[in-house]
Amino acid sequence: DAGVIQSPRHEVTEMGQEVTLRCKPISGHDYLFWYRQTMMRGLELLIYFNNNVPIDDSGMPEDRFSAKMPNASFSTLKIQPSEPRDSAVYFCASSGGETQYFGPGTRLLVL
Amino acid sequence: GEDVEQSLFLSVREGDSSVINCTYTDSSSTYLYWYKQEPGAGLQLLTYIFSNMDMKQDQRLTVLLNKKDKHLSLRIADTQTGDSAIYFCAETPGGYNKLIFGAGTRLAVHP
Repeated sequence: DAGVIQSPRHEVTEMGQEVTLRCKPISGHDYLFWYRQTMMRGLELLIYFNNNVPIDDSGMPEDRFSAKMPNASFSTLKIQPSEPRDSAVYFCASSGGETQYFGPGTRLLVL
Repeated sequence: GEDVEQSLFLSVREGDSSVINCTYTDSSSTYLYWYKQEPGAGLQLLTYIFSNMDMKQDQRLTVLLNKKDKHLSLRIADTQTGDSAIYFCAETPGGYNKLIFGAGTRLAVHP
């Protein structure tokens, strides 16, 4: 299995631009998670899905952030408009039981 | 409240044992996890322990759980330079889908 796949691996954009991060979970996993990692706040759970349905989005910072899961093999996290404080590493993880497997992350820099 | 605490840094000599400690707050956590993060990489699941266990051993790794004190530890036997990384402890209040991470312990292994 290829594991959790994320794209792009690195993204540099200017303030105000729309950013879309993508994730392909491990085949057969029914849970998908989006996390953000920063030096100041550590690892934070943003949102998670079960069977493509958002279950808990209480960690989403504000309305500029949105996440979708149109099917079992694809999810997106969108930031519109982006701000410099959104600069972080964004991880996607998937789970088929009690263990979560993380992707390599997308390193986002908003100038 | 939800809070996981870890010491930030640990330095050990190659070949010695490393012990990384963690305290958590939520006694309802069903599972407790240890993840490893190498520079520029995602989080790698190392091991986890179910809350009704006191100890779990997996090759060089030993996890000890003291539920009374809400204390979790990870012992790495015969520490190698390849073990140099950041180690994250995570608790699971409200079920294993919501991981709450500590700030991570940076393990440095020197000759």
